[in-house]
Amino acid sequence: KQEVTQIPAALSVPEGENLVLNCSFTDSAIYNLQWFRQDPGKGLTSLLLIQSSQREQTSGRLNASLDKSSGRSTLYIAASQPGDSATYLCAVSDLQGGSEKLVFGKGTKLTVNP
Amino acid sequence: NAGVTQTPKFRILKIGQSMTLQCTQDMNHNYMYWYRQDPGMGLKLIYYSVGAGITDKGEVPNGYNVSRSTTEDFPLRLELAAPSQTSVYFCASSYGWGTGSAGEQYFGPGTRLTVT
Repeated sequence: KQEVTQIPAALSVPEGENLVLNCSFTDSAIYNLQWFRQDPGKGLTSLLLIQSSQREQTSGRLNASLDKSSGRSTLYIAASQPGDSATYLCAVSDLQGGSEKLVFGKGTKLTVNP
Repeated sequence: NAGVTQTPKFRILKIGQSMTLQCTQDMNHNYMYWYRQDPGMGLKLIYYSVGAGITDKGEVPNGYNVSRSTTEDFPLRLELAAPSQTSVYFCASSYGWGTGSAGEQYFGPGTRLTVT
């Protein structure tokens, strides 16, 4: 059974710092990996999707990497801003019971202090 | 473009009552999903559908039912509500699945349900 772990559970940094969020998964046979952002009381917003054949994806100040063989992904946020404060969720897509499903980690709660 | 919409946003139910959570998407996506999110936990899949008329159970289906009569709508029915069903419910959709970006899931804003 696929399990997704995110470390740390919470992170507090001063504005302007570069930071890395970690995600690990137990079964490397994934179709893709998605990073989501969730603001308090809101739904999930997709940030980046890395296909299984890719090593990384970039969007603005965000860069996500994928190492399938080691079961790891990182989300790098450059020059953090208070507006980046949110919970970041990692999810992997794999085949379960004959259909593709997403398995989520519990998230990393990020606070960027002005 | 509305994307994925959910109603209601909030609801309080008494134990034993029933209700339907509504979900609609306007992206012509084939796949739709229902998740629940408990405090401090990741999302868990309740039910999913790969197209109109086709539904299947996810990880935590007990106490719920779904139907998919159209591509756009995927309602979630709670029968005999219990306190353990207090949670935030998210609906999502995707065009397809597999190694491409077709598997990217888009989420609605959620429904906060309290059962007392």
